[in-house]
Amino acid sequence: DQQVKQNSPSLSVQEGRISILNCDYTNSMFDYFLWYKKYPAEGPTFLISISSIKDKNEDGRFTVFLNKSAKHLSLHIVPSQPGDSAVYFCAARGDYNQGGKLIFGQGTELSVKP
Amino acid sequence: NAGVTQTPKFQVLKTGQSMTLQCAQDMNHEYMSWYRQDPGMGLRLIHYSVGAGITDQGEVPNGYNVSRSTTEDFPLRLLSAAPSQTSVYFCATGTGPRVLTFGAGSRLTVL
Repeated sequence: DQQVKQNSPSLSVQEGRISILNCDYTNSMFDYFLWYKKYPAEGPTFLISISSIKDKNEDGRFTVFLNKSAKHLSLHIVPSQPGDSAVYFCAARGDYNQGGKLIFGQGTELSVKP
Repeated sequence: NAGVTQTPKFQVLKTGQSMTLQCAQDMNHEYMSWYRQDPGMGLRLIHYSVGAGITDQGEVPNGYNVSRSTTEDFPLRLLSAAPSQTSVYFCATGTGPRVLTFGAGSRLTVL
């Protein structure tokens, strides 16, 4: 049972345009959401996060939106740059009663073309 | 400051062999975890620990053992390797299960 799903395995955008990566979850008890970025042959690195009490969080070119009623999370990158090409994972944290596990989606590979 | 160190980076095993993937951190993080990454499956949690002496199962714990005798180390043991355990393994640490620092990964092939 995949609790966190990224239904798009890949996404290709032109440099300077907006990249939108999507993530859906099934567990309404998740209380914290994160995005990680992964380059080949490296471990994932933290990018941006959002608490379930908010609906938007911005950090420079990166904005995460949370729609709790739809159980949907998205990451917007504006403007996209070639260096943003990587695999992006969304992750969700269960509440204390669930042991606080961090559950990841399948990942979306973003390719930004010059 | 090394952060999270995983060894070995690459390993080839035969079916039935045992081995231990090592994870060491120097950030004094209480939370440590092991994930495996497989194509189309993303990162799946194997085991995690919230402190020395405390471990718990993740999503895919079968075939793996862990222990946490110190804050710094969290080894992952494969007692009898199977081809289904061919994967890239990541150790990740943090002050809690939120912003994690990942190691560079250990690529395991089981023949």
